[in-house]
Amino acid sequence: GNSVTQMEGPVTLSEEAFLTINCTYTATGYPSLFWYVQYPGEGLQLLLKATKADDKGSNKGFEATYRKETTSFHLEKGSVQVSDSAVYFCALSLSGSARQLTFGSGTQLTVLP
Amino acid sequence: GAVVSQHPSRVICKSGTSVKIECRSLDFQATTMFWYRQFPKQSLMLMATSNEGSKATYEQGVEKDKFLINHASLTLSTLTVTSAHPEDSSFYICSARVSSGGREAFFGQGTRLTVV
Repeated sequence: GNSVTQMEGPVTLSEEAFLTINCTYTATGYPSLFWYVQYPGEGLQLLLKATKADDKGSNKGFEATYRKETTSFHLEKGSVQVSDSAVYFCALSLSGSARQLTFGSGTQLTVLP
Repeated sequence: GAVVSQHPSRVICKSGTSVKIECRSLDFQATTMFWYRQFPKQSLMLMATSNEGSKATYEQGVEKDKFLINHASLTLSTLTVTSAHPEDSSFYICSARVSSGGREAFFGQGTRLTVV
């Protein structure tokens, strides 16, 4: 079946530190990959996505590259801010339409000033 | 951007009672909405796909009579947890897609249900 394995949290970093949140997947077929972010008290928001191998999704300084050879979609940011504190979810969709998403367990990120 | 509002954000109920959770698309029409459930430190699991004007499609292992879904309009879907038990305590979250097209799903803020 399809699954997403995400780096366990919580992750605590100081402001301006480098962030990596690992995400690997198992899928039958060629999935689209997503990172969603959930700020406290809010809904999940699409952060970035990639629909095919070697695509790089980027938004708000975050990046993730679709690596088919390692079945990974790691999230990175060069310099985190306090406002990046949130829960991050990696997800995949085989339909490519974000219609039915398979999620990772989520990673809580806390950035300290 | 499109906004999905979920209500309530938190609810505590007694065993045996029923709880209704609402999911509204505020500025767009949603033919299809999705209901997810999340246990602590676990993934969001798709429970059912809610289709406007027709019966919901439930995932394997999800009790239809336990989790009643109604999608009576293009902007509202409801999930009713009937005869709730402590094991139903969980985080429930809905999402919706824009009817006119587009690939992105928009999520509500979730509902924390605690059954005592």
